[in-house]
Amino acid sequence: GENVEQHPSTLSVQEGDSAVIKCTYSDSASNYFPWYKQELGKGPQLIIDIRSNVGEKKDQRIAVTLNKTAKHFSLHITETQPEDSAVYFCAAALEGGGADGLTFGKGTHLIIQP
Amino acid sequence: KAGVTQTPRYLIKTRGQQVTLSCSPISGHRSVSWYQQTPGQGLQFLFEYFSETQRNKGNFPGRFSGRQFSNSRSEMNVSTLELGDSALYLCASSPGGRPPEETQYFGPGTRLLVL
Repeated sequence: GENVEQHPSTLSVQEGDSAVIKCTYSDSASNYFPWYKQELGKGPQLIIDIRSNVGEKKDQRIAVTLNKTAKHFSLHITETQPEDSAVYFCAAALEGGGADGLTFGKGTHLIIQP
Repeated sequence: KAGVTQTPRYLIKTRGQQVTLSCSPISGHRSVSWYQQTPGQGLQFLFEYFSETQRNKGNFPGRFSGRQFSNSRSEMNVSTLELGDSALYLCASSPGGRPPEETQYFGPGTRLLVL
């Protein structure tokens, strides 16, 4: 089955700086890559996703890049703000479903220092 | 529109007991997926239901089961609880039945503690 590695496990950045979280996946058939943000006491919330037919996608201060050849994808957050502090999860899946559903990375605890 | 709701939010059980967790999806959503979240293993897919049928299943023992009702509400059951079943159980719903690429909306979870 799919295996997703996520780094770093903890990331501390100064408010206003950029943050980058990286993930690698093992199954070359995977073609859907969402990112989730989980705040304390809440369920994960989708913040951006990318499909394998594009290399980059942006939504305001958030961007995701995908390198299918290298089987890695990254989340970029610019101009970080205190409300960006949370745990971020990457995931990979095969579009159309499959026995494993979404396979998640172990998460990155992002800390925004004021 | 109301979000995904899960009940109860917190639960304490002892080893050997069984437990049933409930999930109400967003109105109009027909697919419900369940995930287990633990500090050690992270988020792991349990199973997915669509139109009252289990469509996908993760790699969990048969003690974990679920079902979906005609109104799309779903329940999951864990029998013969073990200490390692202590976790946050998350339910996610999606609209038209094509997860995982269709956006899944997660509930707040049920935190289960097994003593």
